[in-house]
Amino acid sequence: EVQLVESGGGLVQPGGSLRLSCAASGFTFSSYRMSWVRQAPGKGLEWVANMKQDGSEKYYVDAVKGRFTISRVNAEKSLYLQMNSLRAEDTAVYYCVRLGGTEKEGGYFDFWGQGALVTVSS
Amino acid sequence: DIQMTQSPSTLSASVGDRVTITCRASQSISSWLAWYQQKPGKVPKLLIYKASTLGSGVPSRFSGSQSGTEFTLTISSLQPDDFATYYCQQYSSYVLFTFGPGTKVDIK
Repeated sequence: EVQLVESGGGLVQPGGSLRLSCAASGFTFSSYRMSWVRQAPGKGLEWVANMKQDGSEKYYVDAVKGRFTISRVNAEKSLYLQMNSLRAEDTAVYYCVRLGGTEKEGGYFDFWGQGALVTVSS
Repeated sequence: DIQMTQSPSTLSASVGDRVTITCRASQSISSWLAWYQQKPGKVPKLLIYKASTLGSGVPSRFSGSQSGTEFTLTISSLQPDDFATYYCQQYSSYVLFTFGPGTKVDIK
């Protein structure tokens, strides 16, 4: 059974930093691209970042470029999101998500974690 | 950047109704479109990918279709479990992704 378990969420002041972790199990982690998707309270879904299997390619939504860094350790089956210079508008539930499909036909999100709440407030 | 729009934003329907939700892309995305269902307080669930391929375990009353850059999610006979918010998502580049704003289906 595929499982994605996020941790590291919490309350942080504007300008502060937080690191989210995602522990994966039930599939060959090193074979899949992984992403972070967020959802602000009462709002829709927003893709945040995407990382290739070997870490050679990373992509970000414009709103977090230069502030957030996605990383992974395949040996530990773990995905991370380092969030710096946090703003009130970063307040959201952050989901760790697996990208389904092949490199040619993939890009949909087939498995989601339960999410980690990040609240940026003074 | 590719923008996604959805209509309507809210839809009121009754059990047994045929429901149609539309998603439009700002440019061609071929068939690289997925649909998700999210119930309040729950994690989004993949319903359809590649515009019309049903996800694992998804009931056959859900279907997806496409006409150019316009995509449609149809629920043939709305069930009580289907009251939720539905999102479309484009993945034409496999590296940059965009969701639609969502369509809430509630009880009439």
